[in-house]
Amino acid sequence: AQSVTQLGSHVSVSEGALVLLRCNYSSSVPPYLFWYVQYPNQGLQLLLKYTTGATLVKGINGFEAEFKKSETSFHLTKPSAHMSDAAEYFCAVRLRSGGGADGLTFGKGTHLIIQP
Amino acid sequence: NAGVTQTPKFRILKIGQSMTLQCTQDMNHNYMYWYRQDPGMGLKLIYYSVGAGITDKGEVPNGYNVSRSTTEDFPLRLELAAPSQTSVYFCASSYGQKQETQYFGPGTRLLVL
Repeated sequence: AQSVTQLGSHVSVSEGALVLLRCNYSSSVPPYLFWYVQYPNQGLQLLLKYTTGATLVKGINGFEAEFKKSETSFHLTKPSAHMSDAAEYFCAVRLRSGGGADGLTFGKGTHLIIQP
Repeated sequence: NAGVTQTPKFRILKIGQSMTLQCTQDMNHNYMYWYRQDPGMGLKLIYYSVGAGITDKGEVPNGYNVSRSTTEDFPLRLELAAPSQTSVYFCASSYGQKQETQYFGPGTRLLVL
């Protein structure tokens, strides 16, 4: 069974500082990889995803993530945090093989706090 | 283009009551999903559908039922509400292939007392 681990349920950074949110997956074959953001009392919105090709993926709002097969990781970064980045961030995976649609497997989420 | 809409936004149920959570999408997506989100946890898949008339169980289907009579609608039914079903429920849809983005609704917050 696949699983997703997000290190740190809460991450606090100062405005303007680097944001790093960690995500590791466990599956023998690299899955499709996603980062979603959830603002308070809202649904989830896709930030970026990795399916194939270039391992550095750029998303919305200045975020990017790098797929590292050797480390089974897909960490999310942003060079300079903004107050509006405060939200819950979820890493999710989906197996490439197998029949049926199934769904996404989510990590537990990381709450990003931005200090003024 | 409203995307994925869910009703109601919030509901309080008594133990043993039943209710249906509504989900509609206007993007002509074949695939639809129901997830639940518990505090401090990620989302878990309850049921999914690959098209009208076709549904299948996800990771946590017990206590729920679904139907898919049209492409647009995917209601989730709770027959005998239990406190363990207190959660936030999200509906999502996608074009289909595994790498496709899932689009989420705003959620329904359910409290079972």
